[in-house]
Amino acid sequence: AQKITQTQPGMFVQEKEAVTLDCTYDTSDQSYGLFWYKQPSSGEMIFLIYQGSYDEQNATEGRYSLNFQKARKSANLVISASQLGDSAMYFCAMRGLNQGGKLIFGQGTELSVKP
Amino acid sequence: NAGVTQTPKFRVLKTGQSMTLLCAQDMNHEYMYWYRQDPGMGLRLIHYSVGEGTTAKGEVPDGYNVSRLKKQNFLLGLESAAPSQTSVYFCASSYPKLYTGELFFGEGSRLTVL
Repeated sequence: AQKITQTQPGMFVQEKEAVTLDCTYDTSDQSYGLFWYKQPSSGEMIFLIYQGSYDEQNATEGRYSLNFQKARKSANLVISASQLGDSAMYFCAMRGLNQGGKLIFGQGTELSVKP
Repeated sequence: NAGVTQTPKFRVLKTGQSMTLLCAQDMNHEYMYWYRQDPGMGLRLIHYSVGEGTTAKGEVPDGYNVSRLKKQNFLLGLESAAPSQTSVYFCASSYPKLYTGELFFGEGSRLTVL
Protein backbone atom coordinates (compact mmCIF):
# COMPACT_ATOMS: atom_id res chain seq x y z
CA ALA A 1 0.00 0.00 0.00
CA GLN A 2 1.05 3.56 -0.59
CA LYS A 3 0.18 6.82 1.10
CA ILE A 4 1.04 10.46 0.48
CA THR A 5 0.57 13.07 3.19
CA GLN A 6 0.61 16.81 2.73
CA THR A 7 0.07 18.46 6.10
CA GLN A 8 -0.17 22.09 4.96
CA PRO A 9 -3.67 22.84 3.63
CA GLY A 10 -2.68 26.42 2.89
CA MET A 11 0.52 28.45 2.71
CA PHE A 12 1.34 32.11 2.17
CA VAL A 13 4.59 33.45 0.78
CA GLN A 14 5.80 36.91 -0.12
CA GLU A 15 6.65 37.51 -3.75
CA LYS A 16 10.34 36.84 -4.56
CA GLU A 17 10.83 34.72 -1.44
CA ALA A 18 11.40 30.97 -1.38
CA VAL A 19 8.79 28.53 -0.04
CA THR A 20 8.85 24.85 0.90
CA LEU A 21 5.80 22.63 0.48
CA ASP A 22 5.93 19.49 2.60
CA CYS A 23 5.26 15.96 1.44
CA THR A 24 5.80 12.69 3.27
CA TYR A 25 5.13 9.27 1.85
CA ASP A 26 4.83 5.67 2.82
CA THR A 27 5.40 2.69 0.57
CA SER A 28 6.49 -0.92 0.70
CA ASP A 29 8.16 -0.65 -2.71
CA GLN A 30 11.91 -0.28 -3.01
CA SER A 31 11.59 1.36 -6.41
CA TYR A 32 9.25 4.32 -6.68
CA GLY A 33 8.88 7.74 -8.18
CA LEU A 34 7.74 10.99 -6.59
CA PHE A 35 6.00 13.72 -8.55
CA TRP A 36 4.74 17.24 -7.99
CA TYR A 37 1.87 18.75 -9.94
CA LYS A 38 0.54 22.30 -9.99
CA GLN A 39 -3.15 23.07 -10.40
CA PRO A 40 -3.90 26.76 -11.03
CA SER A 41 -7.39 28.18 -10.59
CA SER A 42 -8.13 27.33 -14.22
CA GLY A 43 -8.09 23.68 -13.20
CA GLU A 44 -5.53 21.95 -15.39
CA MET A 45 -2.91 19.63 -13.90
CA ILE A 46 0.63 20.72 -14.74
CA PHE A 47 3.56 18.36 -14.12
CA LEU A 48 6.44 20.12 -12.36
CA ILE A 49 9.15 17.72 -11.27
CA TYR A 50 10.05 14.05 -10.76
CA GLN A 51 12.39 12.26 -8.35
CA GLY A 52 13.23 8.57 -8.58
CA SER A 53 13.93 6.58 -5.44
CA TYR A 54 17.40 5.68 -6.66
CA ASP A 55 18.35 9.15 -7.79
CA GLU A 56 21.26 10.33 -5.67
CA GLN A 57 20.86 13.99 -6.47
CA ASN A 58 17.81 16.11 -5.78
CA ALA A 59 15.82 16.91 -8.90
CA THR A 60 15.68 20.49 -10.15
CA GLU A 61 13.60 22.13 -12.86
CA GLY A 62 14.13 25.85 -13.16
CA ARG A 63 12.82 27.49 -9.97
CA TYR A 64 11.54 24.13 -8.67
CA SER A 65 13.64 21.71 -6.70
CA LEU A 66 12.72 18.59 -4.82
CA ASN A 67 14.31 18.10 -1.41
CA PHE A 68 14.40 14.29 -1.27
CA GLN A 69 15.21 12.71 2.11
CA LYS A 70 14.77 9.00 1.60
CA ALA A 71 15.38 7.91 5.18
CA ARG A 72 12.75 10.35 6.42
CA LYS A 73 10.43 9.48 3.52
CA SER A 74 9.98 13.09 2.59
CA ALA A 75 9.90 14.79 -0.81
CA ASN A 76 9.42 18.48 -0.23
CA LEU A 77 8.99 20.92 -3.10
CA VAL A 78 11.02 24.10 -2.93
CA ILE A 79 10.00 27.05 -5.08
CA SER A 80 12.61 29.77 -5.26
CA ALA A 81 11.89 33.43 -6.02
CA SER A 82 8.10 33.06 -5.83
CA GLN A 83 6.00 34.79 -8.45
CA LEU A 84 2.35 35.80 -8.38
CA GLY A 85 1.69 33.13 -11.00
CA ASP A 86 2.82 30.47 -8.54
CA SER A 87 -0.43 30.88 -6.62
CA ALA A 88 -2.13 27.51 -7.09
CA MET A 89 -2.83 24.11 -5.56
CA TYR A 90 0.19 21.83 -5.41
CA PHE A 91 -0.08 18.08 -5.27
CA CYS A 92 2.55 15.54 -4.31
CA ALA A 93 2.11 12.10 -5.87
CA MET A 94 3.82 8.71 -6.01
CA ARG A 95 4.08 5.66 -8.25
CA GLY A 96 5.52 2.39 -6.95
CA LEU A 97 7.09 -0.52 -8.82
CA ASN A 98 4.54 -3.02 -7.54
CA GLN A 99 1.48 -0.81 -7.79
CA GLY A 100 0.62 -1.54 -11.40
CA GLY A 101 1.37 1.93 -12.74
CA LYS A 102 -1.02 3.77 -10.43
CA LEU A 103 -0.27 7.34 -9.36
CA ILE A 104 -1.50 8.18 -5.87
CA PHE A 105 -1.97 11.79 -4.76
CA GLY A 106 -1.79 13.68 -1.51
CA GLN A 107 -4.51 16.09 -0.39
CA GLY A 108 -2.74 19.13 -1.79
CA THR A 109 -1.43 22.46 -0.50
CA GLU A 110 -2.90 25.76 -1.60
CA LEU A 111 -0.15 28.32 -2.07
CA SER A 112 -0.90 32.03 -2.15
CA VAL A 113 1.82 34.45 -3.23
CA LYS A 114 1.44 37.97 -1.83
CA PRO A 115 2.74 41.01 -3.74
CA ASN B 1 -1.22 18.89 -30.04
CA ALA B 2 -4.51 17.63 -28.60
CA GLY B 3 -2.97 15.38 -25.90
CA VAL B 4 -5.76 14.13 -23.62
CA THR B 5 -9.28 15.26 -24.47
CA GLN B 6 -12.30 14.80 -22.24
CA THR B 7 -15.93 15.16 -23.28
CA PRO B 8 -18.17 16.62 -22.07
CA LYS B 9 -16.53 19.43 -20.08
CA PHE B 10 -19.68 20.10 -18.04
CA ARG B 11 -22.78 18.06 -17.31
CA VAL B 12 -25.73 18.29 -14.97
CA LEU B 13 -27.61 15.09 -14.18
CA LYS B 14 -30.59 14.16 -12.09
CA THR B 15 -30.27 11.41 -9.52
CA GLY B 16 -30.66 8.05 -11.19
CA GLN B 17 -29.71 9.15 -14.68
CA SER B 18 -26.82 7.54 -16.51
CA MET B 19 -24.01 9.05 -18.50
CA THR B 20 -20.64 8.31 -20.05
CA LEU B 21 -17.50 10.42 -19.94
CA LEU B 22 -15.19 9.94 -22.89
CA CYS B 23 -11.43 10.28 -22.72
CA ALA B 24 -9.33 10.25 -25.87
CA GLN B 25 -5.56 10.48 -26.13
CA ASP B 26 -3.43 10.84 -29.23
CA MET B 27 -0.03 10.03 -27.69
CA ASN B 28 -0.24 6.27 -28.19
CA HIS B 29 -0.07 5.74 -24.42
CA GLU B 30 -0.65 2.27 -23.00
CA TYR B 31 -1.87 3.39 -19.58
CA MET B 32 -5.00 5.42 -18.94
CA TYR B 33 -6.66 6.56 -15.73
CA TRP B 34 -9.81 8.13 -14.35
CA TYR B 35 -9.64 10.28 -11.20
CA ARG B 36 -12.15 12.32 -9.28
CA GLN B 37 -11.28 15.50 -7.42
CA ASP B 38 -13.23 16.71 -4.42
CA PRO B 39 -12.35 19.67 -2.18
CA GLY B 40 -9.75 18.79 0.45
CA MET B 41 -9.27 15.25 -0.84
CA GLY B 42 -6.85 15.59 -3.71
CA LEU B 43 -7.29 13.32 -6.70
CA ARG B 44 -8.55 9.84 -6.04
CA LEU B 45 -8.16 7.03 -8.56
CA ILE B 46 -11.42 5.49 -9.75
CA HIS B 47 -10.32 2.97 -12.38
CA TYR B 48 -7.33 2.55 -14.61
CA SER B 49 -6.18 0.52 -17.60
CA VAL B 50 -2.76 -0.77 -18.54
CA GLY B 51 -3.74 -1.69 -22.07
CA GLU B 52 -6.51 -2.15 -24.59
CA GLY B 53 -9.14 -4.51 -23.27
CA THR B 54 -7.92 -4.37 -19.65
CA THR B 55 -9.25 -2.40 -16.69
CA ALA B 56 -8.62 -2.41 -12.95
CA LYS B 57 -10.16 -0.84 -9.87
CA GLY B 58 -8.59 2.09 -8.10
CA GLU B 59 -9.30 3.61 -4.69
CA VAL B 60 -12.94 4.59 -5.22
CA PRO B 61 -14.48 2.36 -7.94
CA ASP B 62 -18.00 1.90 -6.54
CA GLY B 63 -20.75 3.33 -8.73
CA TYR B 64 -18.55 3.55 -11.82
CA ASN B 65 -17.76 1.29 -14.74
CA VAL B 66 -15.12 1.66 -17.41
CA SER B 67 -14.21 0.25 -20.79
CA ARG B 68 -11.08 0.36 -22.92
CA LEU B 69 -12.14 -1.10 -26.26
CA LYS B 70 -9.64 0.98 -28.20
CA LYS B 71 -6.16 1.95 -27.08
CA GLN B 72 -6.80 5.66 -27.52
CA ASN B 73 -10.13 5.77 -25.65
CA PHE B 74 -11.11 5.20 -22.04
CA LEU B 75 -14.77 5.52 -21.10
CA LEU B 76 -16.13 6.16 -17.62
CA GLY B 77 -19.77 5.30 -17.03
CA LEU B 78 -22.20 6.16 -14.29
CA GLU B 79 -25.18 3.79 -14.48
CA SER B 80 -27.32 5.47 -11.83
CA ALA B 81 -25.90 8.82 -10.78
CA ALA B 82 -25.99 9.88 -7.13
CA PRO B 83 -25.37 13.33 -5.58
CA SER B 84 -22.18 11.89 -4.00
CA GLN B 85 -20.79 11.60 -7.53
CA THR B 86 -20.83 15.36 -7.97
CA SER B 87 -17.17 16.05 -8.64
CA VAL B 88 -14.56 17.08 -11.17
CA TYR B 89 -13.34 14.11 -13.16
CA PHE B 90 -9.90 13.93 -14.69
CA CYS B 91 -8.63 11.50 -17.27
CA ALA B 92 -4.91 10.89 -17.64
CA SER B 93 -2.58 8.77 -19.71
CA SER B 94 1.05 7.69 -19.59
CA TYR B 95 3.68 5.52 -21.19
CA PRO B 96 3.89 1.99 -19.76
CA LYS B 97 6.19 2.93 -16.89
CA LEU B 98 5.64 1.34 -13.52
CA TYR B 99 7.20 4.07 -11.40
CA THR B 100 8.84 6.60 -13.71
CA GLY B 101 7.24 8.96 -16.17
CA GLU B 102 4.56 11.50 -15.46
CA LEU B 103 0.87 11.28 -16.24
CA PHE B 104 -0.61 13.62 -18.81
CA PHE B 105 -3.98 15.01 -17.79
CA GLY B 106 -7.07 16.19 -19.59
CA GLU B 107 -8.69 19.48 -18.65
CA GLY B 108 -11.32 17.88 -16.43
CA SER B 109 -15.07 17.34 -16.61
CA ARG B 110 -17.32 18.95 -14.02
CA LEU B 111 -20.30 16.78 -13.17
CA THR B 112 -23.18 17.91 -10.98
CA VAL B 113 -25.81 15.42 -9.83
CA LEU B 114 -28.99 16.98 -8.49
